Amino acid sequence: DSGVTQTPKHLITATGQRVTLRCSPRSGDLSVYWYQQSLDQGLQFLIQYYNGEERAKGNILERFSAQQFPDLHSELNLSSLELGDSALYFCASSKRETHNEQFFGPGTRLTVL
Amino acid sequence: AQKITQTQPGMFVQEKEAVTLDCTYDTSDPSYGLFWYKQPSSGEMIFLIYQGSYDQQNATEGRYSLNFQKARKSANLVISASQLGDSAMYFCAMREGDQAGTALIFGKGTTLSVSS
Repeated sequence: DSGVTQTPKHLITATGQRVTLRCSPRSGDLSVYWYQQSLDQGLQFLIQYYNGEERAKGNILERFSAQQFPDLHSELNLSSLELGDSALYFCASSKRETHNEQFFGPGTRLTVL
Repeated sequence: AQKITQTQPGMFVQEKEAVTLDCTYDTSDPSYGLFWYKQPSSGEMIFLIYQGSYDQQNATEGRYSLNFQKARKSANLVISASQLGDSAMYFCAMREGDQAGTALIFGKGTTLSVSS
């Protein structure tokens, strides 16, 4: 158990819908990273937050957004969902902005039908 | 160009044997970090080992060691005395630089199958 929690574990929805994925980092970790893992694209970085502020953006679509709240949990919002958004979405956390270790949550498996 | 290359899509090994999973990387930044993660069929990503670009010695964590050859830009993972529970997908990843907000860049992974 990495100490990072993600909910829900599975999510099935339809095209055009909007969903919210939730992540709670390990106790004491200030950085939260979101990654997407799909069969064709592999593991890709989406976005990072540090202590409530956005720090870096990767291959995140405009239909996707995220935020980190004062209690340090983070949410990833996916809207106007398409079939291609079906993937495993991971949240990871680390103590500092720069890091030697990132600890991953169990992931949320999103299926868009 | 790929930043992280894992050329072995699949590897097969018998229990108690050692296995090496290959990883080469490409960066012009003098400061970087290299990571290995294990992803079992259940899906979670498990951190295994880390090597910093300025570390003088190869990293070791239990049965895992990282064979770091800086000039060759390779960071191979060595698993000694393989166990059935080592069967999983293994990802090599890199963090470039020390600046804030550097996320990990992952390779495509190698599937390791351990048989009895």
